[in-house]
Amino acid sequence: DAKTTQPTSMDCAEGRAANLPCNHSTISGNEYVYWYRQIHSQGPQYIIHGLKNNETNEMASLIITEDRKSSTLILPHATLRDTAVYYCIVRPLGNTGKLIFGQGTTLQVKP
Amino acid sequence: DTAVSQTPKYLVTQMGNDKSIKCEQNLGHDTMYWYKQDSKKFLKIMFSYNNKELIINETVPNRFSPKSPDKAHLNLHINSLELGDSAVYFCASSSSGSLSDEQFFGPGTRLTVL
Repeated sequence: DAKTTQPTSMDCAEGRAANLPCNHSTISGNEYVYWYRQIHSQGPQYIIHGLKNNETNEMASLIITEDRKSSTLILPHATLRDTAVYYCIVRPLGNTGKLIFGQGTTLQVKP
Repeated sequence: DTAVSQTPKYLVTQMGNDKSIKCEQNLGHDTMYWYKQDSKKFLKIMFSYNNKELIINETVPNRFSPKSPDKAHLNLHINSLELGDSAVYFCASSSSGSLSDEQFFGPGTRLTVL
């Protein structure tokens, strides 16, 4: 079972920042927070991951609270192509750590 | 230059038939996966192979048999297809030595069982 809770859906205006929250109150010390997204009819795509420090890459920023019980994915300037289902997943590193997808957040970016 | 490719993209077949889906990755990864996404859009892992060895085997009917002839390929054979097998099947791969442990997904195979 997924160990994360996300809002079912969110809207964002094009060009504005999209902030997607995730609760993972039962996260273990060796588990990382991963974000993937799935654009309609495509395979999921990795976005970013982190353990306890904030992370940034060319796609997004990840803010993890100090107690690690929640996090926020930030798309700084959302475009229409960012419309997708965003999944927050907690798992340990290593190929035996399964990606367990929950329902995710459907982000609709509007013009 | 597709990183993870799957064939076929669409597969329509009758109940009771046997079918295979093929997956290939050209990323040099040592771990490959099969996921199933049902009509409610829930995505669940089915199998994982590392260096051709099975490492994850979720509760999947034994009608499903993965086969990994080499590190770059992981095929999925399904016997005696049932209506409930209709879904989109995604293949993925990753490198056990990577810092991000990122999984790269294929485009999916939409299986419809009539």
